[in-house]
Amino acid sequence: KAGVTQTPRYLIKTRGQQVTLSCSPISGHRSVSWYQQTPGQGLQFLFEYFSETQRNKGNFPGRFSGRQFSNSRSEMNVSTLELGDSALYLCASSLVKTGLSYEQYFGPGTRLTVT
Amino acid sequence: DAKTTQPNSMESNEEEPVHLPCNHSTISGTDYIHWYRQLPSQGPEYVIHGLTSNVNNRMASLAIAEDRKSSTLILHRATLRDAAVYYCILRDVGGNKLVFGAGTILRVKS
Repeated sequence: KAGVTQTPRYLIKTRGQQVTLSCSPISGHRSVSWYQQTPGQGLQFLFEYFSETQRNKGNFPGRFSGRQFSNSRSEMNVSTLELGDSALYLCASSLVKTGLSYEQYFGPGTRLTVT
Repeated sequence: DAKTTQPNSMESNEEEPVHLPCNHSTISGTDYIHWYRQLPSQGPEYVIHGLTSNVNNRMASLAIAEDRKSSTLILHRATLRDAAVYYCILRDVGGNKLVFGAGTILRVKS
């Protein structure tokens, strides 16, 4: 079974621009979560999508948004980029079943550098 | 979100067992205990999880205290490839949000 894939793997953008990152979950996984990892703040939860609906959101400004498509693929968008948005953005997918706790499978991440 | 407390770092010798502790005194009845690890330059990797009983899988064992206020991840024979940051996370059954702490940096000496 193919793992979680993220594209692109590396990206360099300029302050003020916007960026879109893509994530393809493991086949059959309908939950996709996004995380930001920086040396200073560590791993922080951005949001989770399940069945095309955002069902959980972290403490990030509205410049960070996402969506999920009917095939469970997800994109996240960051508008008006700031230098502090430079980070590794990780996507994770998971099964979902009421009453159970499933593990998340992470992709390799997209390394975003804002100059 | 319930919090966990882990040592900043630990060191082990290759081929020896490693016991990584985690305290979670505010755990609720519906919180599962999850362990992930992150190897250098990679995304986090799931290791093991449990609710009340001890759990074993091909990677590790998870020992959960009877009062569930602490747990221990056991790597039976550490290898150099086990050198990573290990995260202990409490996860409510209702959501997929993982709240990562600083984790424990495990160093393995040959």
